[in-house]
Amino acid sequence: LAKTTQPISMDSYEGQEVNITCSHNNIATNDYITWYQQFPSQGPRFIIQGYKTKVTNEVASLFIPADRKSSTLSLPRVSLSDTAVYYCLVHTGTASKLTFGTGTRLQVTL
Amino acid sequence: EPEVTQTPSHQVTQMGQEVILRCVPISNHLYFYWYRQILGQKVEFLVSFYNNEISEKSEIFDDQFSVERPDGSNFTLKIRSTKLEDSAMYFCASSEFSRRGRNTIYFGEGSWLTVV
Repeated sequence: LAKTTQPISMDSYEGQEVNITCSHNNIATNDYITWYQQFPSQGPRFIIQGYKTKVTNEVASLFIPADRKSSTLSLPRVSLSDTAVYYCLVHTGTASKLTFGTGTRLQVTL
Repeated sequence: EPEVTQTPSHQVTQMGQEVILRCVPISNHLYFYWYRQILGQKVEFLVSFYNNEISEKSEIFDDQFSVERPDGSNFTLKIRSTKLEDSAMYFCASSEFSRRGRNTIYFGEGSWLTVV
């Protein structure tokens, strides 16, 4: 199971772009990278998933370099409501089990 | 947007009582899961379920726990004799395994269980 490392916490002002980088040095060939967001007392919410290069959806972008040993979640123009914990997970496409770490606690202020 | 729904949102029970947590997974999903999160701790995997049987379970998922898909829409987690340490938020999740091998798991909002 590929271990992930991400910052414990980050602070940002409203309106800024936030980039959260996750290291996963021993990612395997058939592993995917998935990011979740979690608000207090709520379930993890799927944000974005990728395998290589760049993936973009209406919420975020995910940048994955060619060696796939890291990934960066980019949140454009964050608002106060983006204050949450963000989890980076690496797992096989067939994985029935996700292993959550402690995530990155993002605090957005005015 | 389709979502996983869970009931109850909050349940208080006495130690030793049986509890059933209910979930309605996303309708076209075939894989179902339960996770839990003790207050202030990580989200932990409990069990996965596919084709009417458990496909994987964690060490937490001991004989006190069971899962069932009693009909075509519900997925339940039963704790037979609750302990204080079972107090946690329990998340149901589901996924549709794609032909390309990508498995995206969607979580419900959780059921908060308090054992007193």
